[in-house]
Amino acid sequence: SAVISQKPSRDICQRGTSLTIQCQVDSQVTMMFWYRQQPGQSLTLIATANQGSEATYESGFVIDKFPISRPNLTFSTLTVSNMSPEDSSIYLCSVELSTNPSGIYNEQFFGPGTRLTVL
Amino acid sequence: RKEVEQDPGPFNVPEGATVAFNCTYSNSASQSFFWYRQDCRKEPKLLMSVYSSGNEDGRFTAQLNRASQYISLLIRDSKLSDSATYLCVVPTTGNTPLVFGKGTRLSVIA
Repeated sequence: SAVISQKPSRDICQRGTSLTIQCQVDSQVTMMFWYRQQPGQSLTLIATANQGSEATYESGFVIDKFPISRPNLTFSTLTVSNMSPEDSSIYLCSVELSTNPSGIYNEQFFGPGTRLTVL
Repeated sequence: RKEVEQDPGPFNVPEGATVAFNCTYSNSASQSFFWYRQDCRKEPKLLMSVYSSGNEDGRFTAQLNRASQYISLLIRDSKLSDSATYLCVVPTTGNTPLVFGKGTRLSVIA
């Protein structure tokens, strides 16, 4: 399994400011993912962050709004830029590890999330 | 069809009941499927994976019907601690990225 920590756990921010969320994993992983979970909704993938290359963004998400860093195999950051109330959400970091002996699938483990409120 | 659709819920069941959730998916090329459990204000955690016709783990049984493109989760002898939101998860291609259903909320009542 993987132990994932996120900082901050929660924050209340003013409109127009930016917040950087940190994700730390206790083991080296190739792929890290950033998800958003809006109130009452399921998880939506924002981007996939691989070490040594640009993050891959899903439809509806752009690098200018959600810049991502992946400086090494255990750490990543997601910045929510120029925030508006619509960005209020829980942001979750996730990693993929092979836990099945036959290697058929990989399991995703999630961090505890960062609860962001934008006023 | 949406990529992943689940029973809307909520399901309110008494302790000891058997409850089943269904999930349909649109990507016929998906090879593996997952049920995640999410407790209130917590992160999702893997409950079961399904990559053949089905999988059983104690009181939990997951079944896959590829022809009809649906998976189900059966919980027998429900416990109060089973109260949570159950997320159906399907990869888009290969194993990632994952697409999450909106979840089905289960409340087990004493």
